[in-house]
Amino acid sequence: AQKVTQAQTEISVVEKEDVTLDCVYETRDTTYYLFWYKQPPSGELVFLIRRNSFDEQNEISGRYSWNFQKSTSSFNFTITASQVVDSAVYFCALSEELTGGGNKLTFGTGTQLKVEL
Amino acid sequence: ETGVTQTPRHLVMGMTNKKSLKCEQHLGHNAMYWYKQSAKKPLELMFVYSLEERVENNSVPSRFSPECPNSSHLFLHLHTLQPEDSALYLCASSQDGLGMNTGELFFGEGSRLTVL
Repeated sequence: AQKVTQAQTEISVVEKEDVTLDCVYETRDTTYYLFWYKQPPSGELVFLIRRNSFDEQNEISGRYSWNFQKSTSSFNFTITASQVVDSAVYFCALSEELTGGGNKLTFGTGTQLKVEL
Repeated sequence: ETGVTQTPRHLVMGMTNKKSLKCEQHLGHNAMYWYKQSAKKPLELMFVYSLEERVENNSVPSRFSPECPNSSHLFLHLHTLQPEDSALYLCASSQDGLGMNTGELFFGEGSRLTVL
């Protein structure tokens, strides 16, 4: 069975600090996708990044960067120079393709990030 | 504006009521999903429809009844719910098919359900 663990329940930082959100996953599939989603107070899950299991290159997008390490089954997310607008719950997720069609995303429990002035 | 719209955004119902949650996607996707998000718990997949056929039902109680009349609309019919069913119910859609299945789901803003 697939499993995603986000050990950090809540993190508080002061604006402009860097912060890293941890994600560890378990799967027996050789091909899979990993995701990070952001959930602001409005409730909608906002897609941030998708990573294919065959692509271990780290990725940077503006203040966001992701470190995928297959050897440790980790897919960590770093926000550089955090801002108040980054305050949200962040979810790491692992996908598996369903036999009949569609995909099942297995989510971690999320990390509540609070960025204060 | 999100490509997945859910109504109502908030719903309060008694245990004997019958109500429905509605989801509409404007993205041309062919798969739709219901997820349940309770406090302090991971999001739980409830139902998956692909090409309007149900392909996954994760042991959800029969008091939740999904309906997918076409690839753009998904309903969750609710009856005789329990207080522990109070949660945020999220709808999502995705595009599946040869060379197109990236696993990415697009979510709506959710329907916040309170059962009294």
